[in-house]
Amino acid sequence: NAGVMQNPRHLVRRRGQEARLRCSPMKGHSHVYWYRQLPEEGLKFMVYLQKENIIDESGMPKERFSAEFPKEGPSILRIQQVVRGDSAAYFCASADRGEGNGYTFGSGTRLTVV
Amino acid sequence: QQQVKQSPQSLIVQKGGISIINCAYENTAFDYFPWYQQFPGKGPALLIAIRPDVSEKKEGRFTISFNKSAKQFSLHIMDSQPGDSATYFCAASSSGGYQKVTFGTGTKLQVIP
Repeated sequence: NAGVMQNPRHLVRRRGQEARLRCSPMKGHSHVYWYRQLPEEGLKFMVYLQKENIIDESGMPKERFSAEFPKEGPSILRIQQVVRGDSAAYFCASADRGEGNGYTFGSGTRLTVV
Repeated sequence: QQQVKQSPQSLIVQKGGISIINCAYENTAFDYFPWYQQFPGKGPALLIAIRPDVSEKKEGRFTISFNKSAKQFSLHIMDSQPGDSATYFCAASSSGGYQKVTFGTGTKLQVIP
């Protein structure tokens, strides 16, 4: 079991470019959550997805951010026209609702906007 | 109502001492309270968790104390070691609906020799 895989680990983008962050959940997990962590801050919920469905996007900025979890392939968090304030660590977690044991996090993608 | 408040923000403890981190919640629907440990450059990892039907849970040197009436819970690290130096997050979730987890703001623990 390879765990939750996130890539890339580090991503540098210039202002105005697009950032695409990928997350492959643990085998058997169909629930994916994205969190953002700013330096010296806690984890802020962004979006919760199940296969092909967005369940809760209450933490996502209304503009420039989108997420998907297709039937095949990883979950994608997409940030269009990035700004310096988007620089953060983005963590993906997956869960099997039936386990009730909480999340398993990936190692994160550290986005730097220059 | 979804907040989880965590204190202190940072903590320095001598090796062999007891580290104590406190959290409080507001949403009475929360029924699962995990603690996560995060090392620099890594993702958070589940450390220990408790449900409100018990007042204490111990795993090795780590103990969660839970006070349902006060809506508070705490993490105690006994015999703290330099390898315990990390950021600790308390969290809470509700089994009603889905497993969205709300995190505290984190405590940066430094254990000095």
